[in-house]
Amino acid sequence: GENVEQHPSTLSVQEGDSAVIKCTYSDSASNYFPWYKQELGKRPQLIIDIRSNVGEKKDQRIAVTLNKTAKHFSLHITETQPEDSAVYFCAATRYSSASKIIFGSGTRLSIRP
Amino acid sequence: EAGVAQSPRYKIIEKRQSVAFWCNPISGHATLYWYQQILGQGPKLLIQFQNNGVVDDSQLPKDRFSAERLKGVDSTLKIQPAKLEDSAVYLCASSLRGSTGELFFGEGSRLTVL
Repeated sequence: GENVEQHPSTLSVQEGDSAVIKCTYSDSASNYFPWYKQELGKRPQLIIDIRSNVGEKKDQRIAVTLNKTAKHFSLHITETQPEDSAVYFCAATRYSSASKIIFGSGTRLSIRP
Repeated sequence: EAGVAQSPRYKIIEKRQSVAFWCNPISGHATLYWYQQILGQGPKLLIQFQNNGVVDDSQLPKDRFSAERLKGVDSTLKIQPAKLEDSAVYLCASSLRGSTGELFFGEGSRLTVL
């Protein structure tokens, strides 16, 4: 069945440095890749997404890149800040009303002061 | 606008007992999801509704779990009988139209099975 693998499971970076989280997916028909952020004790919230017709998307300090050939996509956070500390989940799905969204296992990002 | 509402927030039961969780999605959202999130893991889809029809329930343990969305609005997830491994947070989410946009999650219902 469909599967999304996410690495690393934990990541600690110095404040101000960059963080990169990587995901691979198995379903070659997947064409929509959202990223969710879940702060401690709170609900997951969408932070950025990308569709397969583009290779990169940027929103301020956050960017996502997609390599459809290799079936992997990555989240890049630059100039990390304490409020970036959270668990990040990647997901993959087919962009339709009847497709299920498969989540990765999550990356716990800690920002060191 | 009001968000996704879930209740109860917390529930502690003994194994073999039953429990029910309720979810009211954002008004107008056709798609409703129930996810199970075990501590330290990503959300695992249990069941997905499009209006009041089931789109996917391939990972729902149907011998003990059931879910319904009778009028295409709110939904109930039931576990009977519960097992220790059912301890998790049960997240309800809704979206305007399937996976074509953002999922809005509720705060979750944390289940502890003793």
